[in-house]
Amino acid sequence: AQKITQTQPGMFVQEKEAVTLDCTYDTSDPSYGLFWYKQPSSGEMIFLIYQGSYDQQNATEGRYSLNFQKARKSANLVISASQLGDSAMYFCAMREVVRSGANSKLTFGKGITLSVRP
Amino acid sequence: GAVVSQHPSWVICKSGTSVKIECRSLDFQATTMFWYRQFPKQSLMLMATSNEGSKATYEQGVEKDKFLINHASLTLSTLTVTSAHPEDSSFYICSARVDGSGSSYNSPLHFGNGTRLTVT
Repeated sequence: AQKITQTQPGMFVQEKEAVTLDCTYDTSDPSYGLFWYKQPSSGEMIFLIYQGSYDQQNATEGRYSLNFQKARKSANLVISASQLGDSAMYFCAMREVVRSGANSKLTFGKGITLSVRP
Repeated sequence: GAVVSQHPSWVICKSGTSVKIECRSLDFQATTMFWYRQFPKQSLMLMATSNEGSKATYEQGVEKDKFLINHASLTLSTLTVTSAHPEDSSFYICSARVDGSGSSYNSPLHFGNGTRLTVT
């Protein structure tokens, strides 16, 4: 089973409007972290926001917020007041705790392409 | 802070030659770095975990003799694609976690800008 699922096709949003990018995950570990990254056409991966499995409140970072529904295992990214520069691929990712002490891997979803229309 | 520099940003090489890609953490120490591969419009697939002073851990299906990883210091990891073939053409991107940044599962990875490899 996939650990991170991003099933939306390419998304379009009008400039200045809000958009939600969906992400569901699968894990049996109670301790994990969820991340969203942005990848513009230039290729670099830009860290946007993080949500920990034990966090009581939804994470927010400027125009980015995370709608974390633990029981449903979903961690949707909300981008408010979209800008043209938000056009990019967006990846949801998860890290699970590794009890052996080794560094845990970051597993990515397939990504969603977001296009912001002027 | 937390800048990762990757070099070169793009490279074209002929079949059969080897290519080395460097990944440096500029303002932090990184005991562990990760190497990913990405095909166009697809997700990032973890190739290997690079550990300073020890052997890299490769993901299933990744040939360790083809993709040589060396993590010689706390700020430098290198990936060498040996005897490159056209099917090795891809986008390779490294990432690192800041040493001492807390529990491994709740700290973000910082990525380099990637290397676009084209093998002719």
